[in-house]
Amino acid sequence: EAQVTQNPRYLITVTGKKLTVTCSQNMNHEYMSWYRQDPGLGLRQIYYSMNVEVTDKGDVPEGYKVSRKEKRNFPLILESPSPNQTSLYFCASSFTHSTGRGGYTFGSGTRLTVV
Amino acid sequence: GNSVTQMEGPVTLSEEAFLTINCTYTATGYPSLFWYVQYPGEGLQLLLKATKADDKGSNKGFEATYRKETTSFHLEKGSVQVSDSAVYFCALRAVGGATNKLIFGTGTLLAVQP
Repeated sequence: EAQVTQNPRYLITVTGKKLTVTCSQNMNHEYMSWYRQDPGLGLRQIYYSMNVEVTDKGDVPEGYKVSRKEKRNFPLILESPSPNQTSLYFCASSFTHSTGRGGYTFGSGTRLTVV
Repeated sequence: GNSVTQMEGPVTLSEEAFLTINCTYTATGYPSLFWYVQYPGEGLQLLLKATKADDKGSNKGFEATYRKETTSFHLEKGSVQVSDSAVYFCALRAVGGATNKLIFGTGTLLAVQP
């Protein structure tokens, strides 16, 4: 089944403790992206990757890191989480060569709470 | 810059009522437009899309028409069901942009009562 898999689904952590949220897709998509969803703000892009070893900042990159060493994986790293990073996070992927006409495939989300 | 504005919720309807969720956009060029749906506890799913002016996207009884003259992409359904209760997001994707980024509205919560 074609899908984007995120882990974990739920995570509660303490301020300052490094964590990684994993994202993997099995559709051979070049493009991958991370979004956070907050009430009243919709979804905002954190980072994106156009292909392996190519990553760039989205609209709200502060406090986050990403890497793209393999085409299928795009982990989101919080080096020193803070309470304002409590949010619902989504990974998404897409073909880049669709000339921008297609939508994304989203993962099921990771609900992160930082206390 | 590019942006999406959609009506605030929550929208509460009785089963079999007519649904409209308004969405307007600001974009240069000719973006692709999308509606995504998020059911409770789940990720976003593509509901429908339209890629050029006057296109009508449709799926599961939902429809939306790409209106360039009014820069709108309103979501409609003739008869809603309880199972349609979800958050609906309007989104655009700028064609030819460097980032392929999807830009979302803030979402509209729909609650359908039996």
